[in-house]
Amino acid sequence: DGGITQSPKYLFRKEGQNVTLSCEQNLNHDAMYWYRQDPGQGLRLIYYSQIVNDFQKGDIAEGYSVSREKKESFPLTVTSAQKNPTAFYLCASTLSSGLFANYGYTFGSGTRLTVV
Amino acid sequence: DAKTTQPPSMDCAEGRAANLPCNHSTISGNEYVYWYRQIHSQGPQYIIHGLKNNETNEMASLIITEDRKSSTLILPHATLRDTAVYYCIVRVSLPYNQGGKLIFGQGTELSVKP
Repeated sequence: DGGITQSPKYLFRKEGQNVTLSCEQNLNHDAMYWYRQDPGQGLRLIYYSQIVNDFQKGDIAEGYSVSREKKESFPLTVTSAQKNPTAFYLCASTLSSGLFANYGYTFGSGTRLTVV
Repeated sequence: DAKTTQPPSMDCAEGRAANLPCNHSTISGNEYVYWYRQIHSQGPQYIIHGLKNNETNEMASLIITEDRKSSTLILPHATLRDTAVYYCIVRVSLPYNQGGKLIFGQGTELSVKP
């Protein structure tokens, strides 16, 4: 079955460490997104990518980095510059995100990152 | 900032219809309305989306007012498994014609009770 796989499900990071969250999709979707969710809050956009080898900052990109070397993969690195990284991270994808596109967005099951 | 306003919580009796309202008074002509739901510590699940016309699928119905300033998600026969946070989302345009993104608000916490 097609879908989005995020790994790991739980991740613990020490202060000052960089960590990378994995997001893989086999839906042949062009566009991929990373969101962050804090307790009791909605999702906020970190980075997005419309095509391979291209990505753009979202609303809260500081302290994060991404790459899009393959269509299927969009890993997110949480760097030591991110001052409050403890959160629930969600990856999403959609077939096409053109201005008049009319497709649903599929979300992964999330990675819960905790700084220890 | 979110472009939608939803009540923070609602209750519904099992087997009855759940009607979840959403205001999106600043929506633009080409912006779609999406509905997702999220059960604690899981990824959001797609329910339905629409632009102008009412929509129906196997999960729910979406009623959009003629002026597009508000919409209602209808779960026709709510079950205990429908207990979740429901997000009404406007898909807004990204700069430089880079497509669209989903802007999430706080959502409505729906509790279906026996």
